Amino acid sequence: QDQLVQSGAEVKRPGSSVKVSCTASGGPFSSSSISWLRQAPGQGLEWMGGIIPFFGTADYAQKFQGRVTITADKSTKTAYMELSSLTSEDTAHYYCARAQSRTGTNIVDYYYYMDVWGTGTTVIVS
Amino acid sequence: DIQMTQSPSSLSASIGDRVTITCRASQGIPYHLNWYQQKPGKAPKLLIYSESTLQNGVPSRFSGSGTATDFTLTISSLQPDDIATYFCQQTYSLPLTFGGGTKVDIK
Repeated sequence: QDQLVQSGAEVKRPGSSVKVSCTASGGPFSSSSISWLRQAPGQGLEWMGGIIPFFGTADYAQKFQGRVTITADKSTKTAYMELSSLTSEDTAHYYCARAQSRTGTNIVDYYYYMDVWGTGTTVIVS
Repeated sequence: DIQMTQSPSSLSASIGDRVTITCRASQGIPYHLNWYQQKPGKAPKLLIYSESTLQNGVPSRFSGSGTATDFTLTISSLQPDDIATYFCQQTYSLPLTFGGGTKVDIK
């Protein structure tokens, strides 16, 4: 059964950085995409960015550009999300999710639908 | 960015009721619409992708339909296990964006 296991909860000081990991077991890794999303308490889902491990390059939402770095290690089937300059507004649950790809030549075609979600990581900034 | 507007934000219905949730995109995104279910304290779960394709293992009481900008998730007969928040998501272009969610509970 395909799984994404995330690293544990973090408590961080304002201004610091946090790095969350997401390790895949079963299923494809390199040929899929891995997205990072967050959900503030009682709020909706927000896509932060994603990476296609096969290509190694990441795409980011404009809101997080310059503050988030997403990487992937194909050898360990692990993706990472590092968020810097933390403020209290970054307090949230953070999820990774693997997406299936569809036929096409655009990067977005690797983000067809998210069928496997990570276990979630709570980040508290205080 | 493509804005996704979901309605209603919450609803109460009785067991066995037909429930409809709508999602409107700020531009045409034909077929590039997914639906997720999220229960409290859990990660979202994929229900429907590509507007109307049921994910493996999802009960057939869930269905999806739509046009290029307006989409609908229907639960044909609400069950206790369906109590959750539902989100739509567009995968037409990056950044991926979600609707604000619809919280469904029992009347």
